[in-house]
Amino acid sequence: EVQLVESGGGLVRPGGSLRLSCAASGFTFKTYEMNWVRQAPGKGLEWVSYISSSGSTIYYADSVKGRFTISRDNAKNSLYLQMNSLRADDTAVYYCARDSAGGGTTEFDYWGQGTLVTVSS
Amino acid sequence: DIQMTQSPSTLSASVGDRVTITCRASQSISSSLAWYQQKPGKAPKLLIYRASSLESGVPSRFSGSGSGTEFTLTISSLQPDDFATYYCQQYNTYYTFGQGTKLEIK
Repeated sequence: EVQLVESGGGLVRPGGSLRLSCAASGFTFKTYEMNWVRQAPGKGLEWVSYISSSGSTIYYADSVKGRFTISRDNAKNSLYLQMNSLRADDTAVYYCARDSAGGGTTEFDYWGQGTLVTVSS
Repeated sequence: DIQMTQSPSTLSASVGDRVTITCRASQSISSSLAWYQQKPGKAPKLLIYRASSLESGVPSRFSGSGSGTEFTLTISSLQPDDFATYYCQQYNTYYTFGQGTKLEIK
C-alpha cells in the first residue's frame, strides 16, 4: 500500500525556518517524481515545488522561489522541504504528492495527510 | 504562467442530479488536465487524469472531457458521498490548480 506521511509542521515566527519531511513507503520511491502542495486555511490548492526522481530537475512556484528548497534522499525514501524566511501567507497545510508516472509532470495519484505550518508572532 | 478558471465556484444540487463543472485554461494545455475531489480535513483524491481517463477505483458516474483550453467534469447521478470540493489541475507546464468548485446539497 502506498503511503506518504508528512511531518515537521508547527508554529514558527515570521522570518523563521522550518523543515518538512515526507516518508514514503509501499512503492519504489527512487523512480517517482514528487511534489509539495499547500492549502491555506479555507483556501484552494497551490502547487509549491517539484523534484524529479533523481533530484536533478527542480521547479518552484514563484511565491516560494528563493526561500524554499526541495530535496530528496532516495536511500531513505524521503522527501524534504526546507522553508526559510517564512511569512504569514505561508501558513497552510503542506501535502506531499506523488506524480503518477515517470518522465515529466503528470497528475498526482497519491497524497499524504498533510502537516500544518503556522507562521505567526 | 497558465491560469485555470473553474465555474461555478459553488453549485447546489440534489441527490440524483446530473452536474457539470467547467475548467478553462488561459492557453492550450492539450489533454494535460486532472480532476480531484477533496472533503473537509482530507487530502485531495484523484478522479480523472489526461482529461478523460478515470482513475482506478473511481465510480463510473464521474467522467471528464475536453482538450485544449476547455474541460468539463460531469457527475451523472449525484450520490450523498459526492458532496465535496472539486479542483482541476493542469500539468502541461509546471502545475496550476483551479480555484475549486464547492458542490453543496440543495
